[in-house]
Amino acid sequence: EIVLTQSPGTLSLSPGERATLSCRASQSVSSSYLAWYQQKPGQAPRLLIYGASSRATGIPDRFSGSGSGTDFTLTISRLEPEDFAVFYCQQYGSSPLTFGGGTKVEIK
Amino acid sequence: QVQLVQSGAEVKKPGASVKVSCKASGYSFTSYGISWVRQAPGQGLEWMGWISTHNGNTKYAQKIQGRVSMTTDTSTSTAYMELRSLRSDDTAVYYCAREGVYSSSWPYYFDYWGQGTLVTVSS
Repeated sequence: EIVLTQSPGTLSLSPGERATLSCRASQSVSSSYLAWYQQKPGQAPRLLIYGASSRATGIPDRFSGSGSGTDFTLTISRLEPEDFAVFYCQQYGSSPLTFGGGTKVEIK
Repeated sequence: QVQLVQSGAEVKKPGASVKVSCKASGYSFTSYGISWVRQAPGQGLEWMGWISTHNGNTKYAQKIQGRVSMTTDTSTSTAYMELRSLRSDDTAVYYCAREGVYSSSWPYYFDYWGQGTLVTVSS
């Protein structure tokens, strides 16, 4: 099973700042089969990024994904008030599919 | 528009079973697989398994294999997840989620999610 470790656990930032979230895999994620989701309290997750760097439909271009192998990054270039939430990475290159433990981006 | 609408909250006793439904609309049901993902209170996301809506093939997480069954009714565009021998640590919000890849034979990422169903297991 591929274990995904996200860091930091919590990121305290102000609107307008840049957020950099990390997702590290215990073994290489094949074909960069990595996705990122945003989840707000009481809501289902929302797909942001798939294939490590492809934005999902309707996702603003301030969200970008990068990385390959075992190290992946989600970057939010300028935080908007609606961006504060918990973010999860997920690998789908091998079974079982696994999620990281999440990074909470909170308002400073 | 694509929608996944799940059944309502359930309260079950330990040892019982629960069956959660997920009714799809706004797309061709048999063209995209469905996965089930659960989230314990205050915790992260856990993938439970996947079903091909085209041919009924399933893939379950080893942790719950033997206690879970995923099925579909293509006549009503509805997916079902049944979990048996419930324990207190099965208390969670259960989500159905649509695969983001057309006609896949493997679970991938999830582009649409149901609203979630809270299952509480308590004596």
